[in-house]
Amino acid sequence: EAGVAQSPRYKIIEKRQSVAFWCNPISGHATLYWYQQILGQGPKLLIQFQNNGVVDDSQLPKDRFSAERLKGVDSTLKIQPAKLEDSAVYLCASSSEIWGTEAFFGQGTRLTVV
Amino acid sequence: AQSVTQLGSHVSVSEGALVLLRCNYSSSVPPYLFWYVQYPNQGLQLLLKYTSAATLVKGINGFEAEFKKSETSFHLTKPSAHMSDAAEYFCAVSSNNAGNMLTFGGGTRLMVKP
Repeated sequence: EAGVAQSPRYKIIEKRQSVAFWCNPISGHATLYWYQQILGQGPKLLIQFQNNGVVDDSQLPKDRFSAERLKGVDSTLKIQPAKLEDSAVYLCASSSEIWGTEAFFGQGTRLTVV
Repeated sequence: AQSVTQLGSHVSVSEGALVLLRCNYSSSVPPYLFWYVQYPNQGLQLLLKYTSAATLVKGINGFEAEFKKSETSFHLTKPSAHMSDAAEYFCAVSSNNAGNMLTFGGGTRLMVKP
């Protein structure tokens, strides 16, 4: 069974530029999550999708971050414009059910904003 | 609201010694509790989870954790450390009314000395 796929693995951009990350969850997983992991901290949930609907985006900085999962499968996370403090690893995860089941994580995209 | 506190951002043990990583949680509803491990430049991998069944949970790689409601703790242990256990460990909590959205602790980096 293929795991959660993310791309790119690494990205370096200048502040005020825009960037997009892509995630392909495990086949059949209805729930998809985006987490932000700043160096030295635990991951912080940005947004959760159930199929193509948003379950929770309360911690997503909506003035600059956006995410979509149009067909209920792949998802993209976009930052526009990027700030220095957005430097982090962006982790995508998926799970088959919404209640208390294992979330499988991708390897993440490491973003450096200079 | 829920939160997780991991005592000790760095723990160093000798190979063969007991591993004890501490986790305390706060949750207004019965929690689901998880331990994840993260190797360098990798995503998170589930070690074990507590979902209101047995309070002593056994996971992969010889790790186990005990849920103690009275102490609001979910400490991770392993009787004998191996060099390959060196990694970052994250405790996380999810509550029923939050779906599977995980709130992570700040992480503990485990170092194993030969």
